[in-house]
Formats: sequence, C-alpha cells, structure tokens
Amino acid sequence: DAGITQSPRYKITETGRQVTLMCHQTWSHSYMFWYRQDLGHGLRLIYYSAAADITDKGEVPDGYVVSRSKTENFPLTLESATRSQTSVYFCASSGGREETQYFGPGTRLLVL
Amino acid sequence: DAKTTQPTSMDCAEGRAANLPCNHSTISGNEYVYWYRQIHSQGPQYIIHGLKNNETNEMASLIITEDRKSSTLILPHATLRDTAVYYCIVRARGTSGSRLTFGEGTQLTVNP
Repeated sequence: DAGITQSPRYKITETGRQVTLMCHQTWSHSYMFWYRQDLGHGLRLIYYSAAADITDKGEVPDGYVVSRSKTENFPLTLESATRSQTSVYFCASSGGREETQYFGPGTRLLVL
Repeated sequence: DAKTTQPTSMDCAEGRAANLPCNHSTISGNEYVYWYRQIHSQGPQYIIHGLKNNETNEMASLIITEDRKSSTLILPHATLRDTAVYYCIVRARGTSGSRLTFGEGTQLTVNP
C-alpha cells in the first residue's frame, strides 16, 4: 500500500522553465491538496481539488497551474519558474468519514 | 477554526513519556482536535484526532479535558525518532476541502 507519493523528490531548474511536480495517491480520496513550505515557515495552501475535474485556488496560487483528470493524480505545474518558488512542496489527500489529511514525502525544488 | 496555543519547545528523556499540551479555549462543539508532527525534512505525519473522548492508537494517546478547552498528546515511551515539531490543530468536521492551518507547534527533543 503505497499511500501517497510524490515525484521527483528533488528538482533543480532554471528561471523561466516549466516544471511539473507529480502527486499520486492510492486511497481513492476525493480531496487533494498542494502546499508549499518555505524555510522557517508554515505550510501554505497553493491549490486543492474536491474531485476529478474540480480544482480551486488556495492562499498562494499565482504562478501555478493544476489539473485533475483522474482521482488518483494531482500534478502541479510551475508555468515559468521563478526563484521565489524555491521551496518544499507537499501534496496531501483526504477523504472518507474521517476527513484526515495525509501528506506525501515532499518535493524539494530549487530554482536557479 | 479555533486558535491553538502550544509551548515553543519541550525536552524529554528517551524511554519516558512525553506529554505535549495544547490550549484551544475557543473550540466549538463541532471542532475536532488533530495532532500532526513533522520530522525534519519530511512531510507532516498524522498522529491522532478526537472530538471529546480520549483516544488511543499505536502511536499516541490524546487526552481532552471535559470542557474541551485543552488537550494533551502523550507519547508513552519516547524514542530519539520522536524528535520533531508537533502541531495541534483544531478543525471543524465537514471541512474536508479546507486547508490545515499549522501554527508554530512544539519542538520536542528526545534526549538519550
């Protein structure tokens, strides 16, 4: 039971490049989330999705695009990466009666 | 979601019980108390949650006071691997689509 996985785990890219971070969950959870965590700060919500083909903005959506064509996948795309998007990105999912959010291991992104 | 207050840091000897307090004096009747932890560089890990009864699972116990204004997370036999930041989060049921708000948390250091 893999749970929730993210790929890649580490990524170095250059300013202006497009980057896609992948998130996959095996629980068939309805809700999925993308957070970013900057050094010394808490988690901030970027986007979330209530179901396939339903997405909505969080606190810090600018510069990011999401899609959800399948329940189990929720990719996050940085259309034109900027240095300020250097961060650790966490994907989470929740569903069922308990509504508990479970987090992936994170993707460390460095934008040069 | 109700605001929570936790001590900034705590120390515990390996093998002893770690008792982490959390105040949530403005909690309302439909709000649960969740506990997560984040070990350095890893994704937040769900520990336990409860509404008003005490709860126990394989990781920890959660004691909620009768007036629900505070709670204590208990790690019965702390190990070095329990060193992490512990977050107490209050969240209403039926809010699956909402972000989790992680406050400052308590840095627990388990000493050999």
